[in-house]
Amino acid sequence: EVQLVESGGTLVKPGRSLRLSCTASGFSFGDYAMTWFRQPPGKGLEWVGFMRSRGYGGTTEYAASVKGRFVISRDDSKNIAYLQMKNLKTEDTATYYCAGGYCSGGSCYSGRLNWFDPWGQGTLVTVSS
Amino acid sequence: QSALTQPASMSGSPGQSITISCTGSSSDIGSYSLVSWYQQHPGKAPKLIIYEVTERPSGISNRFFGSKSGIWASLTISGLQAEDEADYYCCSYAGSSTYVFGSGTKVTVL
Repeated sequence: EVQLVESGGTLVKPGRSLRLSCTASGFSFGDYAMTWFRQPPGKGLEWVGFMRSRGYGGTTEYAASVKGRFVISRDDSKNIAYLQMKNLKTEDTATYYCAGGYCSGGSCYSGRLNWFDPWGQGTLVTVSS
Repeated sequence: QSALTQPASMSGSPGQSITISCTGSSSDIGSYSLVSWYQQHPGKAPKLIIYEVTERPSGISNRFFGSKSGIWASLTISGLQAEDEADYYCCSYAGSSTYVFGSGTKVTVL
């Protein structure tokens, strides 16, 4: 069964750090650009960033809203992707989802992902004092 | 990066068709054919239903149809069913390895 499971979400104070995990099974994790999204309560989806597969350099891209504060990494030996978040702000409160980003050939280098699938069930991060 | 514009809500009776619009710009939808659509039921994760503007993943009903013209993309749901009641989001590549989502459309089946 294809599955992504996020974990690590919790209540955290502003300015603190938190690391989320995304554990994959049932598909070729190493072939996908692992991508993070978030959804504030009652609001829409926002792309956070992704890490290319190791085969395409394993480099990362981020949304302007999190660049410099969030870092995505991956451990292909364990099929886990991570989202390290620092200097958290109240506006970072959201359900965080990970998903597999598919690309092929040269588009992977340029960051053009064809689609995002599968998705995890999400983990809630609440930033509040 | 501004969010793509979608109607906040749409409704239809069972069996009817509805078309959800997604308005972007020349920096996203207008420049790339990397538009995807996601269905999200309350409390659930988003689910891919359309990719590359018109393509349906395996297992997705052919009642879902995607299209694009200029800076506008659209999702048509034909033969509306109760199970289609959900939130729908468009997503587009926006250049420089970034992505932008639509504001979301809540579909109600009357």
